[in-house]
Amino acid sequence: NAGVTQTPKFQVLKTGQSMTLQCAQDMNHEYMSWYRQDPGMGLRLIHYSVGAGITDQGEVPNGYNVSRSTTEDFPLRLLSAAPSQTSVYFCASSLGRFNTEAFFGQGTRLTVV
Amino acid sequence: GESVGLHLPTLSVQEGDNSIINCAYSNSASDYFIWYKQESGKGPQFIIDIRSNMDKRQGQRVTVLLNKTVKHLSLQIAATQPGDSAVYFCAEISTTSGTYKYIFGTGTRLKVLA
Repeated sequence: NAGVTQTPKFQVLKTGQSMTLQCAQDMNHEYMSWYRQDPGMGLRLIHYSVGAGITDQGEVPNGYNVSRSTTEDFPLRLLSAAPSQTSVYFCASSLGRFNTEAFFGQGTRLTVV
Repeated sequence: GESVGLHLPTLSVQEGDNSIINCAYSNSASDYFIWYKQESGKGPQFIIDIRSNMDKRQGQRVTVLLNKTVKHLSLQIAATQPGDSAVYFCAEISTTSGTYKYIFGTGTRLKVLA
């Protein structure tokens, strides 16, 4: 049981490049979400999904797309990377939308130059 | 607007002492409050939660107190150990009017002194 797995752990992008951050969980959790963590800002919700085929925007969705074709996977796509997207990204999952115990991945440190 | 914040950005305590980490919130309609621990280079880890209709909940060496009158949340760690050194976040879940918000505070760093 691996929990929540994020790849890659580190990534450097040039401005304008696109990429996908991968997130997979093996706990059969319905709810999955993406956060970004910036110094002094705490974690901010980007997008979330309450189940396969259902996604919704969080607090800071601009510049990011998500999809949820399976229960296990919830990739985050950066359409055209900007320096403002330099951050640490965390994927999380929980049993359900109102379940308070979220399980987080190890994070992806992204630098956009 | 809605916000979840912390009074002390860094808290230093002696090993063996009790630690108290505080959090202020502004959304009185939040349904749950949660504490997370984040060690360096790792993702946040769930510690304990409390429902809005409760004022105290205890776990293993931790106690969460909720004071709705002054919109204050605290995490008490008994007999603080070196392994407790981390950043602690409070968070709240609000499900008002069918919308869903999971809001994290900015974090407090706990340093345990030997």
